[in-house]
Amino acid sequence: EADIYQTPRYLVIGTGKKITLECSQTMGHDKMYWYQQDPGMELHLIHYSYGVNSTEKGDLSSESTVSRIRTEHFPLTLESARPSHTSQYLCASSREETQYFGPGTRLLVL
Amino acid sequence: DAKTTQPNSMESNEEEPVHLPCNHSTISGTDYIHWYRQLPSQGPEYVIHGLTSNVNNRMASLAIAEDRKSSTLILHRATLRDAAVYYCILRDPWSSGGSNYKLTFGKGTLLTVNP
Repeated sequence: EADIYQTPRYLVIGTGKKITLECSQTMGHDKMYWYQQDPGMELHLIHYSYGVNSTEKGDLSSESTVSRIRTEHFPLTLESARPSHTSQYLCASSREETQYFGPGTRLLVL
Repeated sequence: DAKTTQPNSMESNEEEPVHLPCNHSTISGTDYIHWYRQLPSQGPEYVIHGLTSNVNNRMASLAIAEDRKSSTLILHRATLRDAAVYYCILRDPWSSGGSNYKLTFGKGTLLTVNP
């Protein structure tokens, strides 16, 4: 059973606010990922990390930023939230190729 | 990106077997075939993966064609809880090279299970 957690599960926030979405895993996986998914649409990779102090942008351009200071944590930050950021954000981790996903954070920016 | 082709949707009846097809004619010799599924309002979950031989686990079976250009995910007895989007995925190398790979999720197959 995978142990990967995301908080908050739901977030409603006003335009211009700074937000941080938390993701943590207890499996000791080196690789971690952030995906964005709009309702009924495909998942798009927005950030990934191979290990501590390693982060890269994914296939879909995103205004969010990430950090990887500790193996188990991979937070995603939006400095100034906008309505266009409304979406579901999914975090995943892997040791090799098989990825384990968290439950996601549903973000609504008003 | 490595390409797979799946039907947009399929329908099944409860307690009947379901065969979900996937074409991957451009697969390379070292690519594993991965299957994930996403239940409504949840993150994707790993189902099964294989390279050449057929694979079985507690969730499903994976039948891989001899030429590896297609595969079939088999749910032996569909339940209502199996209603989900099923993704067939080949790994893609990162554009930066190296030995790391990513999984590119396409549209998948929406499986509806009728009671």
